[in-house]
Amino acid sequence: GAGVSQSPSNKVTEKGKDVELRCDPISGHTALYWYRQSLGQGLEFLIYFQGNSAPDKSGLPSDRFSAERTGGSVSTLTIQRTQQEDSAVYLCASSLKDRAADTQYFGPGTRLTVL
Amino acid sequence: AQSVTQLDSQVPVFEEAPVELRCNYSSSVSVYLFWYVQYPNQGLQLLLKYLSGSTLVESINGFEAEFNKSQTSFHLRKPSVHISDTAEYFCAVTFVGRDSSYKLIFGSGTRLLVRP
Repeated sequence: GAGVSQSPSNKVTEKGKDVELRCDPISGHTALYWYRQSLGQGLEFLIYFQGNSAPDKSGLPSDRFSAERTGGSVSTLTIQRTQQEDSAVYLCASSLKDRAADTQYFGPGTRLTVL
Repeated sequence: AQSVTQLDSQVPVFEEAPVELRCNYSSSVSVYLFWYVQYPNQGLQLLLKYLSGSTLVESINGFEAEFNKSQTSFHLRKPSVHISDTAEYFCAVTFVGRDSSYKLIFGSGTRLLVRP
């Protein structure tokens, strides 16, 4: 079946603007993750959704970041009042179930550039 | 604090030479171990993983990694690399808590650059 898709693939915005990044997980996957990958850095965990449980937001760097997942499928990551340090590749991943051993399947990412 | 360390940010190697990409993690009672690979202009994909059983795990393209509990390591090796192996490799570790909670942490990545 189709893999994880993300849109847009690239986003250039001006400092102070809001942006929305979209993720479509693999159909049937109940767990969804957002990560941030900055140049020369590893993957930084942002937020995790599992079914109808409350999301784990422990990785969100500030209150300008928020995410929602509608209908247990599509997820949107919103960054308000973007700053230059928000420039990075934002990756979404999904896994079949909420298990520590599950493989995560990654989307191609959205490259965000804040001018 | 839990951590995953990939000391080498870049590893240049000639084609057909052997390579080892190092990964160490902070000590923990229970872990699951993964290597993900990111080819140029592509998303991350699983290369191999260790969950239990034999400490040596292999991928379909000739990579292998060995879980060494005493050294808290999961180094990735290949006896003979190809140009097509040029990519960024990420080690990831799931730390499982006594309450069955878990946290997946990625290393900072190692860029493998294979030269002809």
